[in-house]
Amino acid sequence: DARVTQTPRHKVTEMGQEVTMRCQPILGHNTVFWYRQTMMQGLELLAYFRNRAPLDDSGMPKDRFSAEMPDATLATLKIQPSEPRDSAVYFCASARPTPRVGETQYFGPGTRLLVL
Amino acid sequence: RKEVEQDPGPFNVPEGATVAFNCTYSNSASQSFFWYRQDCRKEPKLLMSVYSSGNEDGRFTAQLNRASQYISLLIRDSKLSDSATYLCVVNIAGYSTLTFGKGTMLLVSP
Repeated sequence: DARVTQTPRHKVTEMGQEVTMRCQPILGHNTVFWYRQTMMQGLELLAYFRNRAPLDDSGMPKDRFSAEMPDATLATLKIQPSEPRDSAVYFCASARPTPRVGETQYFGPGTRLLVL
Repeated sequence: RKEVEQDPGPFNVPEGATVAFNCTYSNSASQSFFWYRQDCRKEPKLLMSVYSSGNEDGRFTAQLNRASQYISLLIRDSKLSDSATYLCVVNIAGYSTLTFGKGTMLLVSP
């Protein structure tokens, strides 16, 4: 049963610290998405990659957030410096290659981030 | 105006009840529609796609009204395990991404 994995599952840090979140997409999936979920805003798309190339990161605060895919099995999302307003659940999702748009996305369990 | 709007609920229903959720979307170029389910403190998971002609999966029925730009989900014979948040999801033509509503919370009680 293939799954998206994310680490860490929980992170508590102090304002100003760097936070790195990791995601391993399902093997064979070529599209990876990063989302942030809060009670107020719901699920927001931060960035996404296809075949490791960033296609859209317009949802991401550029000054402090960065997303990369060093290889096909690893996606990272970094926040530097972190701020209390970054506290949220960060989900990674992956989707398989298909000509059909809106393909099902498979979500990881999320990283719960609390910035004090 | 939000792209995908849902009543946040919660909808409180007894076991065995029938419950329906609606969702409206603002972009007329929306072409694919889905319902995702999210359990408390878990990740969203696809519940079902929504087809133009309407579709059914067991106790769940999804309908699409393109003219009025709304989607519905009907749950019959509610179970305790149906308690979750139901996310309405839309894909806009030409985009590879999905737009999620904030979700409708359902609580099924004994």
